[in-house]
Amino acid sequence: DAKTTQPTSMDCAEGRAANLPCNHSTISGNEYVYWYRQIHSQGPQYIIHGLKNNETNEMASLIITEDRKSSTLILPHATLRDTAVYYCIVRVAADSWGKLQFGAGTQVVVTP
Amino acid sequence: NAGVTQTPKFRILKIGQSMTLQCTQDMNHNYMYWYRQDPGMGLKLIYYSVGAGITDKGEVPNGYNVSRSTTEDFPLRLELAAPSQTSVYFCASSYSWVAGGNQPQHFGDGTRLSIL
Repeated sequence: DAKTTQPTSMDCAEGRAANLPCNHSTISGNEYVYWYRQIHSQGPQYIIHGLKNNETNEMASLIITEDRKSSTLILPHATLRDTAVYYCIVRVAADSWGKLQFGAGTQVVVTP
Repeated sequence: NAGVTQTPKFRILKIGQSMTLQCTQDMNHNYMYWYRQDPGMGLKLIYYSVGAGITDKGEVPNGYNVSRSTTEDFPLRLELAAPSQTSVYFCASSYSWVAGGNQPQHFGDGTRLSIL
């Protein structure tokens, strides 16, 4: 599976958009980009995923560059409850039985 | 639906003791996973199962055993507890991962285990 690179930490003001970058320059054509987050002391929570096209759901938007070597997770209006560690993961669909490989993630702190 | 339920939430063990961490899901998922998370680190896969009667090792299986006799349950067994197994353990489940598939994993709230 392709490895990902994320910043260690970032701050965001409450009510503003939070833009979380992820580099996955070795991504293969059949690998999806997934985002999970982990709020302190809880299990990881699925946010969004995509292959090529930009995706949006009720939680966030995912922007994938045309060459697919990087992506950005956007939280449109960050709240204090969005303070968490955010994980960017790339996954091969067919051969690995859905296993997720977590890195260290980005610690996002939303401040009032 | 309760989702993924893990018990106990907390446990303290003495070195050499054994215990079973319980995980059950009510979503009829056929894939289930056990992860451990050490302080300040990401999750590491211990074991996984793609259906009843089928299990396989993940990244860090040493010191653990699993079984999958039903679709709903996937217990994790520690036979001889060691201090290195002090960690938070998460169970997760998902629908089948098919070619091109995109099924997200659903996680439980974890079991916090200390070995003293």
